Parts: sequence; C-alpha cells; structure tokens
Amino acid sequence: DIQMTQSPSSLSASVGDRVTITCRASQNIRSYLNWYQQKPGKAPKLLIYAASSLQSGVPSRFSGSGSGTDFTLTISSLQPEDFVTYYCQQSYSTPPYTFGQGTKLEIK
Amino acid sequence: EVQLVESGGGLVQPGGSLRLSCAASGFTFSSYEMTWVRQAPGKGLEWVSYINPSGNTKYYADSVKGRFTISRDNPKNSLYLQMNSLRGEDTAVYFCAREKEIQPWEYFDYWGQGTLVTVSS
Repeated sequence: DIQMTQSPSSLSASVGDRVTITCRASQNIRSYLNWYQQKPGKAPKLLIYAASSLQSGVPSRFSGSGSGTDFTLTISSLQPEDFVTYYCQQSYSTPPYTFGQGTKLEIK
Repeated sequence: EVQLVESGGGLVQPGGSLRLSCAASGFTFSSYEMTWVRQAPGKGLEWVSYINPSGNTKYYADSVKGRFTISRDNPKNSLYLQMNSLRGEDTAVYFCAREKEIQPWEYFDYWGQGTLVTVSS
C-alpha cells in the first residue's frame, strides 16, 4: 500500500501568515493527491483535488502544487477560521486511498 | 442538495457486531462510488472500504478485511457497513463519503456527519 507522510504534524502561525504543509508519498502517484480540511467535530471538507485544482467554493488563498512523490498545500494569508487540521490523501490506481496523518494548524 | 446521513452507531462489546447505514439524497446514488472512512478519538482519518456503483467491486483496508462487509441498495439510496468481530481499535467515528470521479481524478466531495462506534465491555 502507498504510505502518505505529512509534515509538520503541527504548526504555529499568526493571522495573515503564509504557511506551507508538505505531503510525501511512498511511491510515484503522479498528481493523484487531494487535500481536506477538518474542523473539530465535523466531517472533512475537500479543498484541493488532482494536486492543484481548487474545489468550487474554496477561497483562493488555498493552493496546491506538486507531482510524483512531493506535494504542498499553501495558505497565502491565514484567516482565523483556518486554524484547524489538514489531511492529504492519495487516489492513485485502486483503493486503499490512504490519508496522511494530518497537520494541525495552531494560533501562535 | 446532496446529503449523506449515517446511522447505526453505538456501544458494542468486543467480538460483537454492528451494521452502519448511510442514507443518500440529492443525487443519483446508483451512479456513484461510495466509501467509508473512520476516525478514532483524537486520531487521523483512516480509509476503510470502497464499493463501486453496481456493488460488484469492493475493497477493504487490511485492518478490517475479513471482518467488515460493505454493501449498497441502490433502489433505497443506501450504503451499509456490516461490522463483525469488533475490537477496541475499531472504536471511531465512521463517515460515509461520495466519491466524485472527473476522469482520471477521484476524490471525496461530500461526507456525512459521522456515527460513533464504541467497542468496549
């Protein structure tokens, strides 16, 4: 199975900061990489699919990049509602479609 | 409006069984692949199982293979997860999710609110 490793596991930042979260796959997954945001007690919400395509309705301060094994999620200017947890997920070939372990964004 | 509503969670003893349901509405259920994802308390997301639109292709995580069975009833717009031989490590919130496919990309675009399964004596 493909393993997904996110870094960092947690990140402290301030409102207005630009932050980047990294996700690494254990093998080449081309651009089959999705990003989700999860607020406490809620279901995950899709932010980015196909590594860099912004889901409809998601603010443009979110962007994704990468291909192969290395991917990034960037938030250009943090807003108060962005201090939650983010997950990457690969959808290469057939399931299992594994998730990264998550990155918790905290207010500094 | 797309809606996914899970039910069937609860407290069960180790070794017991439980059947989760996911009621879908607002879209043509029979046209979509569906998935179960779980999240143990305070932990990350774990993909559990997949089923294709006709129900004849299924995949499972190694951690549940041989114990869980995914199924669907398209006329009833419902997805199911039969969970047998439950263990403490199966304690989690279970989410159903719709799998959107825009060739060749696949992702989970709608999720239910989740149902809590607690395995404990």
